[in-house]
Amino acid sequence: GAVVSQHPSRVICKSGTSVKIECRSLDFQATTMFWYRQFPKQSLMLMATSNEGSKATYEQGVEKDKFLINHASLTLSTLTVTSAHPEDSSFYICSARDQVQGSYNEQFFGPGTRLTVL
Amino acid sequence: AQSVAQPEDQVNVAEGNPLTVKCTYSVSGNPYLFWYVQYPNRGLQFLLKYITGDNLVKGSYGFEAEFNKSQTSFHLKKPSALVSDSALYFCAVSLSNQAGTALIFGKGTTLSVSS
Repeated sequence: GAVVSQHPSRVICKSGTSVKIECRSLDFQATTMFWYRQFPKQSLMLMATSNEGSKATYEQGVEKDKFLINHASLTLSTLTVTSAHPEDSSFYICSARDQVQGSYNEQFFGPGTRLTVL
Repeated sequence: AQSVAQPEDQVNVAEGNPLTVKCTYSVSGNPYLFWYVQYPNRGLQFLLKYITGDNLVKGSYGFEAEFNKSQTSFHLKKPSALVSDSALYFCAVSLSNQAGTALIFGKGTTLSVSS
């Protein structure tokens, strides 16, 4: 099946710094990628839909100036958490839909990035 | 509003016994239904999906799920549980085949299989 990678897998940063998380589709092209956030033992909450070559669509309540999303190519989307604070600590997961293989909206998920803000 | 419900936070079952993880949904139109499994500090792994056709869907690792339209349910089942099945399970629904349509997830059910 299709593979989605995320980098880094784990990051610890100081409050006030910015952190960039990369999401790559390794063996397929994805015009659309999704960014989710997950708190411990809770479900995935959709943050935004990342569209290649255009602006991301953010869910209600998600600050677009804080969570910057760039989808510069068909295989790469980045999420930058700007001026991170401890409440931004979470598990961030991306997913991508294979335009060729992924019929019926099947999505492939990355392994996630654990962000800890001190 | 579209939603997915997983009524049980945790399911406990002994190894070798059958297991069921429940899921119900509320959507307008025909749903596309999915089950995913998540191991600690890992992303989601796809188990199975229902799109159309046979109501009984077979997936990875011996799991299966039955789509019941009248009860709006899509329960996950396995005839004989393994300790290695212990994980967090998510039911999800999509309303469309369109690329820009995200999945709506249930809150998840922790499955604990004891030896």
